[in-house]
Amino acid sequence: SQQGEEDPQALSIQEGENATMNCSYKTSINNLQWYRQNSGRGLVHLILIRSNEREKHSGRLRVTLDTSKKSSSLLITASRAADTASYFCATDGPGGSYIPTFGRGTSLIVHP
Amino acid sequence: ETGVTQSPTHLIKTRGQQVTLRCSSQSGHNTVSWYQQALGQGPQFIFQYYREEENGRGNFPPRFSGLQFPNYSSELNVNALELDDSALYLCASSFGLAGNEQFFGPGTRLTVL
Repeated sequence: SQQGEEDPQALSIQEGENATMNCSYKTSINNLQWYRQNSGRGLVHLILIRSNEREKHSGRLRVTLDTSKKSSSLLITASRAADTASYFCATDGPGGSYIPTFGRGTSLIVHP
Repeated sequence: ETGVTQSPTHLIKTRGQQVTLRCSSQSGHNTVSWYQQALGQGPQFIFQYYREEENGRGNFPPRFSGLQFPNYSSELNVNALELDDSALYLCASSFGLAGNEQFFGPGTRLTVL
């Protein structure tokens, strides 16, 4: 399976701290995407990083991709209570298809 | 620009019944994907439609079927409902097939009793 797996499963931090989540996958990918989900609602796309990219930034978010280790990390700097959510990585589907395949997610709680 | 909408928001059915969920894709998008998300799990891919044709299917039985209309809106039909079908059903639209960003709707919460 090419499903990404996030680590840790749960993360609890104080407001202002940085939060780091990791994603590992098993086979080569075309791209990797990170999503956020608040309280069982729809997912919100955060960042897409392609296999030939190593790092991308978007506001307080920083995503890295290490294809040699088949892993990615999502860093949220200066976290806020509003960042409390579940975070998912999505990798390519079987056979290199572009259909995103999701892991189980990391549940992030940011305490005010 | 209108976002992805899904209807209904919540639905309660009994085992053995049939259900139809609807999704309106974002303006300009021609690809719709459906996902099932059980409590505490990540979304599981059901199938994808691109320009009214099924483009891929996940590990779901044939009683899960779908349709995409000329305006690129879509339906998910589930026959012979089982208790394990209780989940949040998410629809996502995108443009094309090359791994572009997907925009998700708020989901339909289905409870099967």
